Amino acid sequence: DVKVTQSSRYLVKRTGEKVFLECVQDMDHENMFWYRQDPGLGLRLIYFSYDVKMKEKGDIPEGYSVSREKKERFSLILESASTNQTSMYLCASRPQGRGSSYEQYFGPGTRLTVT
Amino acid sequence: GQQLNQSPQSMFIQEGEDVSMNCTSSSIFNTWLWYKQDPGEGPVLLIALYKAGELTSNGRLTAQFGITRKDSFLNISASIPSDVGIYFCAGGGRLNQGGKLIFGQGTELSVKP
Repeated sequence: DVKVTQSSRYLVKRTGEKVFLECVQDMDHENMFWYRQDPGLGLRLIYFSYDVKMKEKGDIPEGYSVSREKKERFSLILESASTNQTSMYLCASRPQGRGSSYEQYFGPGTRLTVT
Repeated sequence: GQQLNQSPQSMFIQEGEDVSMNCTSSSIFNTWLWYKQDPGEGPVLLIALYKAGELTSNGRLTAQFGITRKDSFLNISASIPSDVGIYFCAGGGRLNQGGKLIFGQGTELSVKP
């Protein structure tokens, strides 16, 4: 079974703090993704990575950065947290290639509150 | 970024009833996926569809890949309380999309015992 873990289930941070969200997958997947989920908006892609040290912007990258130093780990960084970044953050991974590799596997999510 | 049009946005049903939800897009996809998200958890893959016209079942769940490749349907038969959650459709494999998925807004299902 694919396992994607996220470092925290719940996090409360103050405005202006630097926030790190960590994601680890144990299936040797090349591709990893960070989404945020807000009511009525579904899942929106923030950043993704298709290899170590490689990253691409998703649909809403503003205010975020990412780091992928090792294949199994993908970090999302909020350089200066703001209240509009209060959200559920979901990490996902998938293998490289075509066909069934489109299937993404999600972690349990991190509910971040910025006060 | 583009999102799929998923409907209905929410459903309140009685236990034992059947449920239908669908996703439509103006673009063609080569893959349609359906996920379920339990409250406070991450989405879990329910069904994956890879061929236009394909009909696939997973227990009480049945999903179809529309023949035009622009839509997909999910049906749940004889609903039970543990079916509660948010159901998402996702499209993949579109030209120039790479490995990314496009998600619908979700259908929130409530089941009354």
